[in-house]
Amino acid sequence: AQTVTQSQPEMSVQEAETVTLSCTYDTSENNYYLFWYKQPPSRQMILVIRQEAYKQQNATENRFSVNFQKAAKSFSLKISDSQLGDTAMYFCAFYSGGSNYKLTFGKGTLLTVNP
Amino acid sequence: DVKVTQSSRYLVKRTGEKVFLECVQDMDHENMFWYRQDPGLGLRLIYFSYDVKMKEKGDIPEGYSVSREKKERFSLILESASTNQTSMYLCASSLLAGYSNQPQHFGDGTRLSIL
Repeated sequence: AQTVTQSQPEMSVQEAETVTLSCTYDTSENNYYLFWYKQPPSRQMILVIRQEAYKQQNATENRFSVNFQKAAKSFSLKISDSQLGDTAMYFCAFYSGGSNYKLTFGKGTLLTVNP
Repeated sequence: DVKVTQSSRYLVKRTGEKVFLECVQDMDHENMFWYRQDPGLGLRLIYFSYDVKMKEKGDIPEGYSVSREKKERFSLILESASTNQTSMYLCASSLLAGYSNQPQHFGDGTRLSIL
C-alpha cells in the first residue's frame, strides 16, 4: 500500500521569504502522479501543483515549484515570495492511476505566513 | 470552473439519528468521493463512486453508506450517528481515471457535530 509522509506538522515563514514543505512517499509503482493541495482556513481545498512521475522536469506554477526526486521518493513544495494568503494547510497526495481511483493524502503541514 | 457543492457547511445531529450529507457537482465528472478530515490524520477516504449506482469502499467505510442515483449527486449516509463521527466531511469529484492526472475538485466541506 502507498503511504505519504509529511514530517512537518507546522511551519512558519516571514512574508516575502521562501519556504519548503517536505513530502516523502512509499510505493512500488513506476508510473504515478503527485499533487500538492492547499486548504486555507475555512475555505475550499484547491490544487496547487501536480507532477507526473515519468517527467523528469520539475513542475512550476508561478511562485510554487516542486523538487521531485524519484529515486529518493521525495516531493517537496517550494513557495517563493511568500504572501499572507499562502497561510493554509498543505497536503501532499499520491495517485497511482489506472483503475485504482484512490488518492492517498499525507497528514498535512500547517503553514503560517507572518507579516 | 468545476463547482462541487455540499448541502451544509455546519450540521449538528444527535446520537442515533440517520444523517444525510449531500454533494452535487456540475462538471459531469464520473468519479465522486467522500473523505473525512480530522486534525493530525489528514484526509481519509470513506467511499468513492466511479459511475451511477457503483460504489467502492475506501479506507474507513464502517458506519457509513453511500448512494449515487444520478451522476451529479453523491450522498453520504450515517445510518446511526455516533459521537466518534464528529468530523469535517469533504466531497470531491474528478474525471475518469483514464485521464490519469486529472485532479480531484473539492467542496467546501461539512462540519458535522454529533451530540
